[in-house]
Amino acid sequence: SAVISQKPSRDICQRGTSLTIQCQVDSQVTMMFWYRQQPGQSLTLIATANQGSEATYESGFVIDKFPISRPNLTFSTLTVSNMSPEDSSIYLCSVTSGPPYEQYFGPGTRLTVT
Amino acid sequence: GQQLNQSPQSMFIQEGEDVSMNCTSSSIFNTWLWYKQDPGEGPVLLIALYKAGELTSNGRLTAQFGITRKDSFLNISASIPSDVGIYFCAGPRDRDDKIIFGKGTRLHILP
Repeated sequence: SAVISQKPSRDICQRGTSLTIQCQVDSQVTMMFWYRQQPGQSLTLIATANQGSEATYESGFVIDKFPISRPNLTFSTLTVSNMSPEDSSIYLCSVTSGPPYEQYFGPGTRLTVT
Repeated sequence: GQQLNQSPQSMFIQEGEDVSMNCTSSSIFNTWLWYKQDPGEGPVLLIALYKAGELTSNGRLTAQFGITRKDSFLNISASIPSDVGIYFCAGPRDRDDKIIFGKGTRLHILP
């Protein structure tokens, strides 16, 4: 399985500001994903980060709010823009590696917006 | 859209007890995944199931792929304190194989 790191691990931000979260994988992977986990809730897919093209967003998530970059096969960033307290969540990077459908997750970025 | 329903939502058990939880859907899944999330961590893949009827073990954990393809079960034998956490079932959705998650079963062990 791939080893995934995320930075920062946590942050407290003021409303109206933006935060960029980085995801680094120790090997080249085809598929990278960003998930959100609101407090006490399950994981919701935000978007698929595509290398060399625009990210594919899920219903309810838009590029202006959550711009994503994927410059190569080992790295991606997710920006949470113009933050509000409702954006307080854990943001998780995930990749598929090895057998089909088996996804692996980074440790998450815990974001609190005040 | 497709949904995964997990039960129970939470469990309070004594150390040493066996645990059973399940995941159901109104639609067929061709793969079932079970994850565990510890507090402050990302989910960790425990078991992947690929065939109806398949029974797979990982240490004290055993998971089964239901023969109807609409359900899966996870059992934990002789629970220990480090089993505390949230257990999620997951599977690829029909339209694009992206992985979706159930709401989780929260396991608590009573002192």
